Amino acid sequence: QQQVKQSPQSLIVQKGGIPIINCAYENTAFDYFPWYQQFPGKGPALLIAIRPDVSEKKEGRFTISFNKSAKQFSLHIMDSQPGDSATYFCAASIGTSGSARQLTFGSGTQLTVLP
Amino acid sequence: KAGVTQTPRYLIKTRGQQVTLSCSPISGHRSVSWYQQTPGQGLQFLFEYFSETQRNKGNFPGRFSGRQFSNSRSEMNVSTLELGDSALYLCASSLGTGVNTQYFGPGTRLTVL
Repeated sequence: QQQVKQSPQSLIVQKGGIPIINCAYENTAFDYFPWYQQFPGKGPALLIAIRPDVSEKKEGRFTISFNKSAKQFSLHIMDSQPGDSATYFCAASIGTSGSARQLTFGSGTQLTVLP
Repeated sequence: KAGVTQTPRYLIKTRGQQVTLSCSPISGHRSVSWYQQTPGQGLQFLFEYFSETQRNKGNFPGRFSGRQFSNSRSEMNVSTLELGDSALYLCASSLGTGVNTQYFGPGTRLTVL
């Protein structure tokens, strides 16, 4: 079964800190790796995504680092704020001709940023 | 543009009943995917519809079914409800073939008693 393993399960940082969330995958056919942010009572919202031909991607305070040989990728949140407190999910998918992508999600990380 | 809407937001059913959930995708989006979210299993793919056709299906029993209408709105049905079906059911829409970004709705919280 295709799996994406995510760690840690929970993370607490002080405001301004740089939380790092890690994910590892098994299936080398995965070719798209998004990160989603979910607040209580809301659906997941796309934060940032990366393809395996790129080692790093930045969008605002969010950075994805990708290590294709290790089959690992991580999310870094710079200058974290209390408003970043949420659950973060990594995901992976395989491009399939004629279909939207089926996302395989990690188990999620509950991030708390203390003021 | 309005986002993905899901109705109802909350449902309480009893074992053995059936339930129908509705999803209206973002205007212009033709693909609708459904996911189940539970504390134990996390987010799991149920199925995906495009142009009224199911194109992809996850590893769920046949009690879970869906359909899509000509206006891209989608419904999912769960028959003979079990306690383990209690979950947040999420709908995600995207433009369609080969497009990566999926936009999720707020979900329908189903509780089975």
